[in-house]
Amino acid sequence: DTGVSQNPRHKITKRGQNVTFRCDPISEHNRLYWYRQTLGQGPEFLTYFQNEAQLEKSRLLSDRFSAERPKGSFSTLEIQRTEQGDSAMYLCASSSDSSSGELFFGEGSRLTVL
Amino acid sequence: GENVEQHPSTLSVQEGDSAVIKCTYSDSASNYFPWYKQELGKGPQLIIDIRSNVGEKKDQRIAVTLNKTAKHFSLHITETQPEDSAVYFCAAPSGANNLFFGTGTRLTVIP
Repeated sequence: DTGVSQNPRHKITKRGQNVTFRCDPISEHNRLYWYRQTLGQGPEFLTYFQNEAQLEKSRLLSDRFSAERPKGSFSTLEIQRTEQGDSAMYLCASSSDSSSGELFFGEGSRLTVL
Repeated sequence: GENVEQHPSTLSVQEGDSAVIKCTYSDSASNYFPWYKQELGKGPQLIIDIRSNVGEKKDQRIAVTLNKTAKHFSLHITETQPEDSAVYFCAAPSGANNLFFGTGTRLTVIP
């Protein structure tokens, strides 16, 4: 399967712990996005990379959140000192300059903070 | 920034009937309006989109209409089938690099 891959699919952690999610985009895609989705809501934008450069961050991305895309391929999203309010589905999407705006989403990483 | 409102939040139709989902947006400069379908346990997937230079676009049983004056756009699904059951999201550009999604419509097609 050559779609967007996210790991882990599910993560249960205790409040205060750190968690890291990984996203492997479609190989030729230079654009990578992280979104957060809570139950009954649409995806909310968190951050955007073009190649290895993080070009945009939402105000939703507090200083406990950090995202990287060191070689312009895979990306990681780390949440430090997790809070119960961080419980959500974290979606990664990728696209290319020729995608005509279409975002290709992965299946998401579901975080539960106890 | 952009704000998108989507209605209804839930919609049940009999198999074979039509379904219509409506969205309004706030930024008159927006020029791209996609619709995504999300099935249980999966990420959203683009099903159709429209750009502001046209008023309607059709792809088999799915169509999208755009009214730029009123700042609303709608998804139309005809001859609904059970596999159309899912959550549908409209979206509009927010800034240069991301999409603002609506809150979603859960469509149930009753066999």
